[in-house]
Amino acid sequence: AQSVTQPDIHITVSEGASLELRCNYSYGATPYLFWYVQSPGQGLQLLLKYFSGDTLVQGIKGFEAEFKRSQSSFNLRKPSVHWSDAAEYFCGGLYNFNKFYFGSGTKLNVKP
Amino acid sequence: GAGVSQSPSNKVTEKGKDVELRCDPISGHTALYWYRQSLGQGLEFLIYFQGNSAPDKSGLPSDRFSAERTGGSVSTLTIQRTQQEDSAVYLCASSSPLAGLYEQYFGPGTRLTVT
Repeated sequence: AQSVTQPDIHITVSEGASLELRCNYSYGATPYLFWYVQSPGQGLQLLLKYFSGDTLVQGIKGFEAEFKRSQSSFNLRKPSVHWSDAAEYFCGGLYNFNKFYFGSGTKLNVKP
Repeated sequence: GAGVSQSPSNKVTEKGKDVELRCDPISGHTALYWYRQSLGQGLEFLIYFQGNSAPDKSGLPSDRFSAERTGGSVSTLTIQRTQQEDSAVYLCASSSPLAGLYEQYFGPGTRLTVT
């Protein structure tokens, strides 16, 4: 069955440290992949997306994600985290141009 | 073009009453999703509409929940005989994958409080 998994429920990093949020998708046809961010009290905003081609995609707010087919992963990264990055992050996948699946989300806490 | 809109933004209702939540997707978007987000929780998929196909209702938590989409545009999520555990933010999103618009665009949500 198609699914998207985010193994980490909570992550805490220090401001200025690097960040990596994990996302795995189920086997089968590779979905189109997305990362969204939900800041406290805000709606969901698209950070970046991967359809095909270059496996390293750049997004807004200094985020990037790398698609690795061998690991069925699409991890989100940022070299230096800012306090304003504290939010919940959702990975999602669109399978067969049809149904969208979201992971359960990762809550990021940033320590000063 | 306006984004996805939802109404009302806030709804307080008494336990046992019925409520209707409305979603206006982006014009031309063929796919429409409803999600529920309980306090501190992730996105819980409820129902999915794609064009004229039968909706995917696999996420509806009980038969008190139903949704319809009229004319392929506006959607209404109805919760009958509301319970306190129905309190949550209900999010609507639209996209148009068959037109190459794969990402979902989210509305601001309706915050439902059942007292």
